[in-house]
Amino acid sequence: QLVESGGGLIHPGGSLRLSCAASGLTVSSNSMSWLRQAPGKGLEYLSVIYTGGNAYYADSVKGRFTLSRDNSRNTLYLQMNSLRAEDTALYYCARKGGSSYFDVWGRGSLVTVSS
Amino acid sequence: QSALTQPPSASGSPGQSVTISCSGTSSDVGGYNFVSWYQQHPGKAPKLMIYEVRERPSGVPDRFSGSRSGNTASLTVSGLQAEDEADYYCCSYAGNNKWVFGTGTKVTVL
Repeated sequence: QLVESGGGLIHPGGSLRLSCAASGLTVSSNSMSWLRQAPGKGLEYLSVIYTGGNAYYADSVKGRFTLSRDNSRNTLYLQMNSLRAEDTALYYCARKGGSSYFDVWGRGSLVTVSS
Repeated sequence: QSALTQPPSASGSPGQSVTISCSGTSSDVGGYNFVSWYQQHPGKAPKLMIYEVRERPSGVPDRFSGSRSGNTASLTVSGLQAEDEADYYCCSYAGNNKWVFGTGTKVTVL
């Protein structure tokens, strides 16, 4: 099970850190991702971190968002800086299973960027 | 990376079949055997229905099947049931540790 938290209302240009607490799976032993869904829109991949610790990002968030994990807390994080109105979305963490799919999803944490 | 193209809507009567297309390029759908499909009910998280073009995770009914021809993948739902009414998204690996999703299709059971 994955449980996201940390969302809320933030002004443009602000920062926010999302957390994803895992139970029943070990974050450090799995490839983990963040994805998002703007209101009424489709899904968008944001970032992945592999077991070795390397993290990669979609062009839309590269340089602004940072994915990390705390193995002792079995928790995944997404640090979001320089937030824009277009970052308003429901943010999901998910396990990237097997070859290349997302098989375990949290329920999401809503981020609203507005002045 | 541009989103994969899906029809906005599809529909069928109970017991019928519906097929959803997912059009991409040789850099994503046509270039990797890493196409997956997700079902999303309103207010719920997406659920993996198909992976690696045509493989079904355990617990997913065999009414759901996937295929691909060239740069276009397809999801077919046979024997439509009321609970199949949902949004469906395709997804493809696009190289360089990036994934691209489809625009989404709303399936209505008439």
